[in-house]
Amino acid sequence: DIQMTQSPSSLSASVGDRVTITCRASQGISNNLGWYQQKPGKAPKRLIYTTSSLQTGVPSRFSGSGSGTEFTLTISSLQPEDFATYYCLQHNNYPWTFGQGTKVEIK
Amino acid sequence: EVQLVESGGGLVQPGGSLRLSCAASGFTLSDYWMHWVRRTPGKGLVWVARLDSNGRTTNYADSVKGRFTVSRDDAKNTMYLQMNSLRAEDTAVYYCVRGLWGIDYWGQGTLVTVSS
Repeated sequence: DIQMTQSPSSLSASVGDRVTITCRASQGISNNLGWYQQKPGKAPKRLIYTTSSLQTGVPSRFSGSGSGTEFTLTISSLQPEDFATYYCLQHNNYPWTFGQGTKVEIK
Repeated sequence: EVQLVESGGGLVQPGGSLRLSCAASGFTLSDYWMHWVRRTPGKGLVWVARLDSNGRTTNYADSVKGRFTVSRDDAKNTMYLQMNSLRAEDTAVYYCVRGLWGIDYWGQGTLVTVSS
């Protein structure tokens, strides 16, 4: 199985900060990686697909980059509604695997 | 609007069975690959199973293979997850998700608790 190592597991940031979250795959996954945001009691919501494509309706402050085994989600200017938990998902090989999540909290 | 609504979760004893349902609206299930994903406090999000658009081809996580079966009723536009021989470690929130370039839509989830 492909292991997805996501870091950090949590972070504290202020409104307006630039935030970066990383996922490293244990083997190459091409560009088959997505990023998801989940708020308590809600279903996860896709932000980014195929590494860097912005899901329709998602603000442009979210962006994704990377290739092969290292991938990054960047929030260019953190907004109050962005405090949530973020997950990466590789869908290159079955079983699909997720990162452990990054909880973004208010500083 | 795409909607996925899971139902059928609840409390079940170890060794018991449960069938989860996922009612889809806003699209036709048979046009997409569909999956089940679960979330536990200990392991986070874990992919469980998939059903191809043909309704016949399936894949399962090793942890559920031989115990869980995914199926679909096209007339009802509903997908199912039959869970047998349930174990404590199957306790989780189960999500029905649509597969398009990974996962594009998620249901709200249904809680399954396996406990005596």
